[in-house]
Amino acid sequence: GAVVSQHPSRVICKSGTSVKIECRSLDFQATTMFWYRQFPKQSLMLMATSNEGSKATYEQGVEKDKFLINHASLTLSTLTVTSAHPEDSSFYICSARTGGDNEQFFGPGTRLTVL
Amino acid sequence: QKEVEQNSGPLSVPEGAIASLNCTYSDQGSQSFFWYRQYSGKSPELIMFIYSNGDKEDGRFTAQLNKASQYVSLLIRDSQPSDSATYLCAVGLSGGSYIPTFGRGTSLIVHP
Repeated sequence: GAVVSQHPSRVICKSGTSVKIECRSLDFQATTMFWYRQFPKQSLMLMATSNEGSKATYEQGVEKDKFLINHASLTLSTLTVTSAHPEDSSFYICSARTGGDNEQFFGPGTRLTVL
Repeated sequence: QKEVEQNSGPLSVPEGAIASLNCTYSDQGSQSFFWYRQYSGKSPELIMFIYSNGDKEDGRFTAQLNKASQYVSLLIRDSQPSDSATYLCAVGLSGGSYIPTFGRGTSLIVHP
């Protein structure tokens, strides 16, 4: 149990295009989902927290108009990187949690390369 | 500001030895503690969680929590080369919509 999927696993796009990444909890309902970004050999950086049915809460320094997050249901959250640029190239990882004290379960990650 | 500190390493141990990974945290209200393992190029996977003072064992892994001293550790017995990875400590408050804080991770290398 507690499986989180992400799609796509890898994406290469041209500068200026938008990319949507999906995060799904496959066998549980996720009241909260988190989006992280990780650059090579660096630690996880929390970008935003999303709760089903409400607006995402973004961490300081993360542009909400650039990184659009939608948590439309208890099993799906999406992150859209709008007008992507090479500096947005990174490993994007989502995680999901049922709530309270429960642990987070991570998706396999999406590696974004912007040319 | 909540902080979770880990020695970045690398921690190098021989195969078969015990690897000891440590994590300290600043928020005295912290109630839940997690250890994740992350292989290079992969996402983190949960190894263990602990809520109460003392030890919690799961196979070759033992988590140890000392709330008075504000540290949590992970012991890996009979270390294997496949244990070579970065280990992330995460700390959170109890209940509600807390956001867990992750440490930067400790790189472990188990050499044959």
